[in-house]
Amino acid sequence: DAGVIQSPRHEVTEMGQEVTLRCKPISGHDYLFWYRQTMMRGLELLIYFNNNVPIDDSGMPEDRFSAKMPNASFSTLKIQPSEPRDSAVYFCASSLPRGSKIHNNEQFFGPGTRLTVL
Amino acid sequence: DAKTTQPNSMESNEEEPVHLPCNHSTISGTDYIHWYRQLPSQGPEYVIHGLTSNVNNRMASLAIAEDRKSSTLILHRATLRDAAVYYCILRNTDKLIFGTGTRLQVFP
Repeated sequence: DAGVIQSPRHEVTEMGQEVTLRCKPISGHDYLFWYRQTMMRGLELLIYFNNNVPIDDSGMPEDRFSAKMPNASFSTLKIQPSEPRDSAVYFCASSLPRGSKIHNNEQFFGPGTRLTVL
Repeated sequence: DAKTTQPNSMESNEEEPVHLPCNHSTISGTDYIHWYRQLPSQGPEYVIHGLTSNVNNRMASLAIAEDRKSSTLILHRATLRDAAVYYCILRNTDKLIFGTGTRLQVFP
């Protein structure tokens, strides 16, 4: 199993540009989570999906952020327009349902995308 | 979500046991205690979880107080590779809410 795959690994862009981060969850996992990590705020949950449907987007900072999951094997997090304060490492994670006896109900994290907005 | 309290940092020498404490005095009956760790420049990874009884796996042991208001993650023999930030999380939903964790330094 390749694990959770994220692309790109690094992104440098200028303020005002659109940024799209991509995530491929582990095959068979029906939960997908997007997190953001900064020095100031730590690890924050932005949004999560179950069976491709957004369940909780209360962590999405503002309307400039949007996330989609068009199918079970792909999700995007888009920032438009990007701002310097969006600079962070963005992690995607996937899991089986809570209570699953496989994998101890754990979330599997990808390597992250380091975003720098100049 | 109930809150957890962990020391900001701890130190250990290689091959010594490490006990990482976590206080969660407002834990509810349905909260599971989860531990994740984040190695430098990597995403978090699952370590262990439990509800009431102590738990062991290949990575660590989890000791849960009888009143469940605190728990301790035990690394039996620390290695340099165990240097990471360790997060103690209470979970009763699909979400993981990360606190600030404990930064563990391991010295050779």
